[in-house]
Amino acid sequence: KAGVTQTPRYLIKTRGQQVTLSCSPISGHRSVSWYQQTPGQGLQFLFEYFSETQRNKGNFPGRFSGRQFSNSRSEMNVSTLELGDSALYLCASSPQGARTEAFFGQGTRLTVV
Amino acid sequence: AQSVTQLGSHVSVSEGALVLLRCNYSSSVPPYLFWYVQYPNQGLQLLLKYTSAATLVKGINGFEAEFKKSETSFHLTKPSAHMSDAAEYFCAVSRGRTGNQFYFGTGTSLTVIP
Repeated sequence: KAGVTQTPRYLIKTRGQQVTLSCSPISGHRSVSWYQQTPGQGLQFLFEYFSETQRNKGNFPGRFSGRQFSNSRSEMNVSTLELGDSALYLCASSPQGARTEAFFGQGTRLTVV
Repeated sequence: AQSVTQLGSHVSVSEGALVLLRCNYSSSVPPYLFWYVQYPNQGLQLLLKYTSAATLVKGINGFEAEFKKSETSFHLTKPSAHMSDAAEYFCAVSRGRTGNQFYFGTGTSLTVIP
């Protein structure tokens, strides 16, 4: 079974721009979550989607948004990028159900200049 | 609210020595606890999980963890460290009655000395 695939692996954007990150979950997994990882804040939960609906949301500003498609693939969008948005963004997929393990992709390294 | 605390941001052990990485949780309900490992420039890989079925949980690569309710701990151990174990280790708790929402500890960087 293929793992979680995130594209692209690396991105460089300019402050004020917007960016879209993509995540393809493990086949059969309907839950997709997004996390931001930075040296200062560690791993922080952004949001979770299940069957195209946002099921949980972390404490991030509205500039961070996401969506999930009918095939469970998910995208995350960040608008009006700030320097502090530079981070490793990780996507995780989970089997159906609550509080099950999460399987992570390799992440997208976003650098805002 | 449920959270985890990892004691020791850096741990160094000699190759062949015992690995002990500490994690304490705070929870008002039985927690779902996990240990993940992250290698440089990689995502997180699940080592093991506790879901109340057994207090001693065995994971991949020879790691195991013991859930101790009296100590609110879920420490990760490995009898003999290998060079390939050098990585960042994260303890995590799954929160929320529905869904999969993980809260991670601050991580412990493990160095293995040859």
